[in-house]
Amino acid sequence: EVQLVESGGGLIQPGGSLRLSCAASGFAVSSNYMNWVRQTPGKGLEWVSVMYSGGSTFYADSVKGRFTISRDNSKNTLYLQMNSLRAEDTAVYYCARESYGSGTSLGTNYYYYYMDVWGKGTTVTVSS
Amino acid sequence: SSELTQDPVVSVALGQTVRITCQGDSLRSYYASWYQQKPGQAPVLVIYGRNIRPSGIPDRFSGSSSGNTASLAITGAQAEDEADYYCNSRDSSGNHRVFGGGTRLTVL
Repeated sequence: EVQLVESGGGLIQPGGSLRLSCAASGFAVSSNYMNWVRQTPGKGLEWVSVMYSGGSTFYADSVKGRFTISRDNSKNTLYLQMNSLRAEDTAVYYCARESYGSGTSLGTNYYYYYMDVWGKGTTVTVSS
Repeated sequence: SSELTQDPVVSVALGQTVRITCQGDSLRSYYASWYQQKPGQAPVLVIYGRNIRPSGIPDRFSGSSSGNTASLAITGAQAEDEADYYCNSRDSSGNHRVFGGGTRLTVL
């Protein structure tokens, strides 16, 4: 069964650090684009970071320089190291697999991307 | 612009058709994907690409796109369709993802 399970959330003081884990089963993290997405209580979804299968990483401006995405292929696990945490980082953090496809229309190639597998999320609360 | 704009609240009568829209410059270059989220649950993919439904998603859900606007339609809305709906795409760089602010759908 294809599945993602996040862990590592908790209560942390402002300025502290936390590492989230996302254990995958049924597919290889290393062969896919993997994202972290967060949701502040009562608010919408916010993309946080992505790691490409080739190892490239990208971050939202709100977390760049503070968060680091990584993976351990032997454990088939994605991580999010969060440093210098702020109250506004309080959220449910989801990991999501991103897949892609392609097609041709009127002789033009097109591509599309979608997050097809999501974990249930882990809650991070930044508060003193 | 890297923003995707959605109407915050939309309502539909039971059994009627509703369209939820998502606007953004990046939609001229990238297809949107759509996610349904019910309270306390993780998002679920409902539409992606050129109107593709994942396995298990009812065929009353459909998607379309024109210019800078992507749309999710529900034909014959059911009570269980009441949820928050989010669109997602990439920004102009192609490497950052972006979500719309979400639309809360109420089925009357």
